[in-house]
Formats: sequence, C-alpha cells, structure tokens
Amino acid sequence: NAGVMQNPRHLVRRRGQEARLRCSPMKGHSHVYWYRQLPEEGLKFMVYLQKENIIDESGMPKERFSAEFPKEGPSILRIQQVVRGDSAAYFCASRTSGRENNEQFFGPGTRLTVL
Amino acid sequence: KQEVTQIPAALSVPEGENLVLNCSFTDSAIYNLQWFRQDPGKGLTSLLLIQSSQREQTSGRLNASLDKSSGRSTLYIAASQPGDSATYLCAVGGSRLTFGEGTQLTVNP
Repeated sequence: NAGVMQNPRHLVRRRGQEARLRCSPMKGHSHVYWYRQLPEEGLKFMVYLQKENIIDESGMPKERFSAEFPKEGPSILRIQQVVRGDSAAYFCASRTSGRENNEQFFGPGTRLTVL
Repeated sequence: KQEVTQIPAALSVPEGENLVLNCSFTDSAIYNLQWFRQDPGKGLTSLLLIQSSQREQTSGRLNASLDKSSGRSTLYIAASQPGDSATYLCAVGGSRLTFGEGTQLTVNP
C-alpha cells in the first residue's frame, strides 16, 4: 500500500506564474489536508477536503490560493500569480473516514521556489 | 486559538543518553496528539499517536505521554543513537492539526 504521494517534489516558478501541486492520498483515504511550512517556521494548516467538498479552508490565504479534491484523481493545490513569499514546503496528509482523531499520514512534500 | 510550544528548541546529546522532549498546548479540548519526526528536506514520519482518552503510547525506544489537564506531552527517547538526529514535531488537534515549531535533536557519536 503506497503512502501519500505528492508531485512534483520540487517546483520552480517565476513571479506571476501559476503553481499546481498534486496529492494522491493513501488508498482508501477520502480525507485530505494541506499544510504549509515557510522557511524557519512551523507547519500551518491550510485546507481540509473530502471528495468533492471543501470542509475547512480557514487557513488558506483569501486570494490566489485554491484547492480541490475531485471525485476522480488527486487533490490539487493551486497558487495563481505566485510571489516570493509563497516559497515554502507544501505538505499533504490523508486519513481514513470515521473519527476525526484518526491518524494523519503525510506525504514527502512539494518544495516551491519562486524566483 | 490553540497554541503549541516545544521546549527545548534545540538539543545536543552524546550517544546512549536518555532524553525528554516537551510539548505544551493551550487548549485541552483536543482529540489526539501526534509526535512526528522530520529529517532535513524531507517529509514527516509519524512516530506515535495518543488519543485523547489515552495517557501514553510506546513504540520501541520511544514513549509518549499525554496530560490533557495540564496541557502537556513528553516524548521520551531511550538510549539515543546518531540516527535519531532529526527535528521532532508535536501536533495536537482532531481534524486539523496545530504544530509546534519543533525540537532539533542532534545525537553525537
């Protein structure tokens, strides 16, 4: 059973371009979370999704950021018109359905560098 | 708003030493607490998960305790090894996790 997969592992974008980060949860997991780790800072929650639904996006910046988890395919975190301050490691985590306190399993992350 | 603090921020010990990492949180209404390990430039590896109804969990040389009433958890590492060198993160929550900033551990041969 493969773990949480994220791609690309490294992404370089110039200011103003778009970044698309993909996350494939573990098999059987229908709950996905995105977290961001800025340089020299801790991980911060961004958004929580179930299949086709955004459950909690309270940690997501109001502009330029969006996330989806379609019925088929991976979850996508999309950043439009990237700026240097978006440079960070973006981690995806997944868990099974059922109790909210089920363990979250993390992917290896996507490291975004904005030039 | 939940806040998680980890002490110390960095720790350097000789190989073989037993050590304790500390985590405190401000809101005791949590569903669970997870300890993770993060190696430089890598993702997070889950070490131990303590449900809110539990007081401790053990895995190999690791033991984690949880005291919800005082808002504290400790991660005990026995007989430390150089391979234990990493950043250790504490996270609390239920659905969304709130992370501490981590303790950077170096175990010297």
